[in-house]
Amino acid sequence: GAGVSQSPSNKVTEKGKDVELRCDPISGHTALYWYRQRLGQGLEFLIYFQGNSAPDKSGLPSDRFSAERTGESVSTLTIQRTQQEDSAVYLCASSRVADTQYFGPGTRLTVL
Amino acid sequence: DQQVKQNSPSLSVQEGRISILNCDYTNSMFDYFLWYKKYPAEGPTFLISISSIKDKNEDGRFTVFLNKSAKHLSLHIVPSQPGDSAVYFCAAVRMDSSYKLIFGSGTRLLVRP
Repeated sequence: GAGVSQSPSNKVTEKGKDVELRCDPISGHTALYWYRQRLGQGLEFLIYFQGNSAPDKSGLPSDRFSAERTGESVSTLTIQRTQQEDSAVYLCASSRVADTQYFGPGTRLTVL
Repeated sequence: DQQVKQNSPSLSVQEGRISILNCDYTNSMFDYFLWYKKYPAEGPTFLISISSIKDKNEDGRFTVFLNKSAKHLSLHIVPSQPGDSAVYFCAAVRMDSSYKLIFGSGTRLLVRP
């Protein structure tokens, strides 16, 4: 079966613009995570979705960041009024509950 | 405040020898630990994991050791192969905290032919 897919693979935007990143999880995976990796650093947790439960948004760095998930399928991460410090690789992962997380290839975001 | 630390940013090893990657953590509430491997332009790939109730887990050439009293874990790769060259991330999980992974900053392993 297909793995986690993300789009776009690369996104270059100007400071102040909004961007939307997409994640298609593995079919049947009820849990979905967003992480980001800044240059030279480890991955930072952003947000977690599990079924119909309220998402865990504890990792979102500011109110410019938001994410949605439709049921147990696609998720979008939106960053409003992008800043240069938002430049990073944004990674999505999915899993069955309490199971191994499988990562997508990521979206490299560059804010000029 | 880094809860998971990988203090060696890089490691170079001769093919056929043992690679030892280290990881330290500060939060005693972590109850599961994982190693992920990452190639450039790809997402991390799960490699091996260990529960906090164990001190060793082995899978082929890969063995993870956990020392809870020292809050330290290590990944041993033996024998090392050139295809093992990648960035290795240590991660920790609290089962009561959304299963979110707390990652170290990674160690870049180069296996020389």
